[in-house]
Amino acid sequence: DIVMTQSPDSLAVSLGAGATINCKSSQSVLSSFNNKNYLAWYQQKPGQPPKLLIYWASTRESGVPDRFSGSGSGTDFTLTISSLQAEDVAVYSCQQYFTTPFTFGQGTKLEIK
Amino acid sequence: EVQLVESGGTLVQPGGSLRLSCEASGFIFSSYSMNWVRQAPGKGLEWVSYLSSSGTIYYADSVKGRFTISRDNAKNSLYLQMNRLRDEDTAVYFCAREVTTFDSWGQGTLVTVSS
Repeated sequence: DIVMTQSPDSLAVSLGAGATINCKSSQSVLSSFNNKNYLAWYQQKPGQPPKLLIYWASTRESGVPDRFSGSGSGTDFTLTISSLQAEDVAVYSCQQYFTTPFTFGQGTKLEIK
Repeated sequence: EVQLVESGGTLVQPGGSLRLSCEASGFIFSSYSMNWVRQAPGKGLEWVSYLSSSGTIYYADSVKGRFTISRDNAKNSLYLQMNRLRDEDTAVYFCAREVTTFDSWGQGTLVTVSS
């Protein structure tokens, strides 16, 4: 199974500041067939289901604010929030969909400092 | 608007059975692969099972042989038959539509396995 490891586990950032969350996979999720990274990012607020933010490592889902961006390739990925808003408080999780079992990172809790 | 509504979660004893349902609307259900994903209290997300539009099925090792995924396209519904339930199956169970990855999720249904 591909193990997804996020860092840090929690993060406190001031409003308007940037936030960076890292995700590392135990093996590459880059396909040699289509040169795409099978990596997604989700946002989950308390009592709500996850919401897809980013797929193919860097493609923003429709309707997601452009302050959210994804980068990385192979085994190392980053979610960046450029200017933290109050509504961004949530748990963020990465997920690989390269192969089954699809696996998620443990989640990173983002709070306001 | 895509909507997914899960139901069927409840308190069940260890060793018991339960059938979860997910009713879909707002899209052509038969054309999409669907998944079940669960989240134990205070824990991260765990993928459970996948069912493609053509009938391909995958399970997580933790549920293989105990859970069965199925769908009824005429009823726009996805199901998860859960047998021989264990304490560690306690979780909120989400159904999720798959377009590249899980682009739409239901609100979830809580399954509690306890004596």
